[in-house]
Amino acid sequence: GQQLNQSPQSMFIQEGEDVSMNCTSSSIFNTWLWYKQDPGEGPVLLIALYKAGELTSNGRLTAQFGITRKDSFLNISASIPSDVGIYFCAGQQSIIQGAQKLVFGQGTRLTINP
Amino acid sequence: DAGVIQSPRHEVTEMGQEVTLRCKPISGHDYLFWYRQTMMRGLELLIYFNNNVPIDDSGMPEDRFSAKMPNASFSTLKIQPSEPRDSAVYFCASSRLYGYTFGSGTRLTVV
Repeated sequence: GQQLNQSPQSMFIQEGEDVSMNCTSSSIFNTWLWYKQDPGEGPVLLIALYKAGELTSNGRLTAQFGITRKDSFLNISASIPSDVGIYFCAGQQSIIQGAQKLVFGQGTRLTINP
Repeated sequence: DAGVIQSPRHEVTEMGQEVTLRCKPISGHDYLFWYRQTMMRGLELLIYFNNNVPIDDSGMPEDRFSAKMPNASFSTLKIQPSEPRDSAVYFCASSRLYGYTFGSGTRLTVV
């Protein structure tokens, strides 16, 4: 089946450092999304990307939709303690019924040392 | 908007018992998804509905799992009989077109 390969699986950084994670796929996706999951909660949407090559920012977060439509990355600048959590990439092929489901990466667990 | 509401938040049950998880999607969202999350397998899509109709149930592990959506504001995921390997966090999510909004999940422990 479809799979997203997300890396790294975990990161241990110092507060204030920048973070970079990425997702690759053998399949083309027409929408890429990045989610963050806090302990005991469901994933929350951070950034959505709808167009190949698109670069989108949300505060200290920046994400890009790869030009081949098979990859995406997420950068977090100047990390702070509340950035701790698990980050998931997700790809959506289409909004057409039957292809609307999201495929998720395995997640990147971010730990920050103060 | 109250978001996607799931109940219960935690469920502990004995092996062999029936378990029912509940979900209220966001009003106006016409897609509803059930996911299961474990450390080993990550987020797995179990089933999803569009306009209350099941579209893809290929992720449902076996016949012990069933899901219904009797109306646009309510869905259930039932496990009967439950087994220890069903222990996981079960998420419901709803959407219109792009992306999903997740509920807070139900942590199921089968002992």
